[in-house]
Amino acid sequence: DAGITQSPRHKVTETGTPVTLRCHQTENHRYMYWYRQDPGHGLRLIHYSYGVKDTDKGEVSDGYSVSRSKTEDFLLTLESATSSQTSVYFCAISGARAGEVYEQYFGPGTRLTVT
Amino acid sequence: AQTVTQSQPEMSVQEAETVTLSCTYDTSENNYYLFWYKQPPSRQMILVIRQEAYKQQNATENRFSVNFQKAAKSFSLKISDSQLGDTAMYFCAFMKLGDNYKLTFGKGTLLTVNP
Repeated sequence: DAGITQSPRHKVTETGTPVTLRCHQTENHRYMYWYRQDPGHGLRLIHYSYGVKDTDKGEVSDGYSVSRSKTEDFLLTLESATSSQTSVYFCAISGARAGEVYEQYFGPGTRLTVT
Repeated sequence: AQTVTQSQPEMSVQEAETVTLSCTYDTSENNYYLFWYKQPPSRQMILVIRQEAYKQQNATENRFSVNFQKAAKSFSLKISDSQLGDTAMYFCAFMKLGDNYKLTFGKGTLLTVNP
């Protein structure tokens, strides 16, 4: 199994509070991704990173920010949590390099509830 | 933008029988990969099988095989000799080459294998 951990695994927070989710990898992979999973929507990409300090928006980025100051860590921040951000959040990594394709490996997920 | 459609929200099959899950996608790209991921009740995302669009031969992995019809933009998953452990949500996913290896997911099909 790919070495990916997410913390916390569960969190309940109140509307309007800031929340940071952490993804940590031990694979030294270049690419990292944050998805959210909601019933009836599958997984949707929030933000991704293609290197240290290199990040970009995904399909559902509003209300989220990310940072990657070192290869192994990718942080997802909800600046002011809303009930619509109640979801399960997955981090994924990929070791893809130019000319090759690697599947994404997923972390165990974080269940976030905003009350 | 690519879209992935899984038209069967839920399916069921008897143990030891064969079942086929459907997936269609819409893209104007010629170079891409397709994936099937499995998500059991544990919530962990597990890669089942992948298919390179340039390959005409359908991918197989043990009891799992795909029927890839590029012209029809169809990518179905066949599970033979279904086992109770195959009970899971199955997601079809599309990856466009040269786009930071991002995945676009379908909404998923919940497969239940009955004893």
